[in-house]
Formats: sequence, C-alpha cells, structure tokens
Amino acid sequence: GIQVEQSPPDLILQEGANSTLRCNFSDSVNNLQWFHQNPWGQLINLFYIPSGTKQNGRLSATTVATERYSLLYISSSQTTDSGVYFCAVRRYNQGGKLIFGQGTELSVKP
Amino acid sequence: DTEVTQTPKHLVMGMTNKKSLKCEQHMGHRAMYWYKQKAKKPPELMFVYSYEKLSINESVPSRFSPECPNSSLLNLHLHALQPEDSALYLCASSQQQSRDSPLHFGNGTRLTVT
Repeated sequence: GIQVEQSPPDLILQEGANSTLRCNFSDSVNNLQWFHQNPWGQLINLFYIPSGTKQNGRLSATTVATERYSLLYISSSQTTDSGVYFCAVRRYNQGGKLIFGQGTELSVKP
Repeated sequence: DTEVTQTPKHLVMGMTNKKSLKCEQHMGHRAMYWYKQKAKKPPELMFVYSYEKLSINESVPSRFSPECPNSSLLNLHLHALQPEDSALYLCASSQQQSRDSPLHFGNGTRLTVT
C-alpha cells in the first residue's frame, strides 16, 4: 500500500513564527487532505488539495502530485495552532481508503 | 467542521457490557467510515459502508459489529471488549467511497474499557 511520511515529527515554535510541514507519499493519489487534531481530539479539515495551491487565512497548502509531496505553511503562528497535523491520502483503486501519515506534533509557545 | 455528529462523547464500559456508538450525518453522503485512534498514533480504518452496504472490513475483531440502518446513520456495536480497545473512535463520511471528495470527521467518542 501507499506509504505516507510526514516531517518533522515534532516542532516547537515561538508565537508569531512561520513553519512548513511536509508530506511525502510513495505512489500517485486521487485525494489528499490536511487535518489539524486539537488537544481535545477533534480532527478538523484544513485543506482538500489533491493538486495545486490553496490558502485559508494564515494557512496555505501546496501539493505537487507529479513529485508526490505536499506542504502545509503556517504563518504568524498562534498558541491555538498547537496540536497534531495529519496528512492523509486516498487511491480509488484501493477502495478509497484514507491513509494517514504519522503526523507532526506542533507546540506553539507564548 | 462538525457536520458529522457522534454520540456519546465519552463512554466507560466494563468488559462484559454491551454498548453502541452512534454517528449521524445529513450531508447526503453515501459513504461512511469508522476509524480507531490510539494515543499518539494516526487514525486507522476499521470499516467502510457504501450505499448502506459493508464495503471494507479491515480484519476487525468480531467484538466490534458495525451497522448502517440508513444512509444518514452508522452504529458501532461493542461487546466483550478488552482494555486495549480503549481509544478514540472516529466516524467520517464522504460523498461516495471512491470519488473526488473529502472525508468529514465527527468529534469522536472517547472509549475506556475497564
């Protein structure tokens, strides 16, 4: 099956700093999503981005499908950005299963 | 992003109990999913329902029994669980199982087996 690797595994930032999270995947995919899981366990959709670039406020994401990676940019980080960021991919010929990476645990300090 | 509703939020049960987790969505989605998440790990797929039929069972033990009574509802019946089954159980839905559309997750049920 597809392998999904996220880096870095852990990240500590000072409030106001910028960061880039990376997701590499081992095969072509039909669907890629970025999620934020907050400390209460809520898994929040950030982006649905199988290719191209999208922006939502301080967050943006880029997927380069031909090179099998996606990047999540967080600018001017806030303490509420803390939590785990997951990248997840789907291939329709594998039953459409959403396969998660191991996540990046982000801690933003005031 | 809480258009998928899960109840209860928390559940504590003994190993001899029978309980059920419930999930509901009203987005007209025809694919629904159960995921299990242990602490410090990513969610892992358990079951997929497509048009109310079980499509994928990821070799889940029979003490977990899914049910999809209609296109809006998904249940997970629990019986004779083990302490290692304690986890966050997440429900999700999407337009269809194999189609260009994102999965939407509920807030989860945090299950503790004593």
